[in-house]
Parts: sequence; structure tokens; C-alpha cells
Amino acid sequence: GQQLNQSPQSMFIQEGEDVSMNCTSSSIFNTWLWYKQEPGEGPVLLIALYKAGELTSNGRLTAQFGITRKDSFLNISASIPSDVGIYFCAGPHHSGNTPLVFGKGTRLSVIA
Amino acid sequence: GAGVSQSPRYKVTKRGQDVTLRCDPISSHATLYWYQQALGQGPEFLTYFNYEAQPDKSGLPSDRFSAERPEGSISTLTIQRTEQRDSAMYRCASSLAAGAGNEQFFGPGTRLTVL
Repeated sequence: GQQLNQSPQSMFIQEGEDVSMNCTSSSIFNTWLWYKQEPGEGPVLLIALYKAGELTSNGRLTAQFGITRKDSFLNISASIPSDVGIYFCAGPHHSGNTPLVFGKGTRLSVIA
Repeated sequence: GAGVSQSPRYKVTKRGQDVTLRCDPISSHATLYWYQQALGQGPEFLTYFNYEAQPDKSGLPSDRFSAERPEGSISTLTIQRTEQRDSAMYRCASSLAAGAGNEQFFGPGTRLTVL
């Protein structure tokens, strides 16, 4: 089945540093989504990407939909303590279908 | 409602017992999803509903798992004869409609522990 591979698995960074994480797949995705999950909460959508090559920003977050449609990255600039959480990439379960398949997540820790 | 709610938030049960988990989606949302999230993993799809129809239940791990949404709003996920490997966070999400362009809003989850 479809699998999403996220790297790194975890990151420890200093407040103010920039962060980069990525997600790759063995199959093509037509939509890439980035979610953040905080302790005790469900995942919350950060950025949605619908076109190959698309670069989208949401505040300090920037995400890109890879040209091959098999990868995506998420950058966070000038990290702050509230950026702590698990970041998941996700895409449609089957081509064009609704349910999502998620990566295993990148756990981000920010040291003040 | 204001967001997706789930109950109970925590459930501890003994192996072999049946459990039923409940999801209250956002009131205007037609589509409702159930996911299972193991520790250290991302959510994994179980099944979903469009109103009361259940187009896809391919993610249900065995016939011990079933879900209902009889009136197209609240949904329940039932696990019969629970096993220790069923221990996980069970997450419900809802969206306005089906399709990848419709944002899925997740509930806080029910953490199930099977002893």
C-alpha cells in the first residue's frame, strides 16, 4: 500500500533556529498535507498543497509540493517554543479518494 | 457543535470485553472518518461515512471492528472481544464533504487500553 516516509524522526533545536523536514513516497500523490499534533490534541491542518511545484506559506511555515509528486518538505523559520509538537505529512489514501494516509511524524522539540 | 468531540476520552477494558467509542462530528459536516493511531505512529485509516453511507471500510483490521452512523450525524466504533493489540488512540475526524480538498478536522481521540 501507499507509505509516506518522514525524516528526521525527531529534532532538538534552539529557539530562533530554522527547521526543515521532509516526506517522501514511493507512489505519486496529487495532494500533500502537513498537520501538527500537540499533546492531548488531534492533528490540525497547517498547509495543503494541490499542484506539483507549488510553494505555499502560512506565517513562519513554508511547504513545497515536489515536482515528481513523490515528495514534499516543510520549513519553519525562527522557531519558538510553541512550535513543539509532532508534524505529520499526509495524502489521499487512494488516488483521488478521501481518507488520508499519514507518515510516522517528525517530533520537534525547541529549547528556549 | 464547535468542534469534533469524542467520548470517552480514556477507556480501560479487559481482554475479551466489547467497547463502543462515540464521535460527535461538526454539525454541518457530511463526512466522518475513523482512524487508529498507535504510539509513535501517524493515524491509520479505518473507515469513513458520507452521511449514513459507509463507502469504505477497508481499513478495519478484523471483523471484530464495526462502525455505524445511522442518522448521518453521531457515529460509533465498536470493537468486540477486545485484544491487547487493539490498545491505541482512536481518532475521529469530520469534513464538510468527501474529497481531498475538504479539510478534515480531528477530535481529541479516545485512548483505549486493553489489559
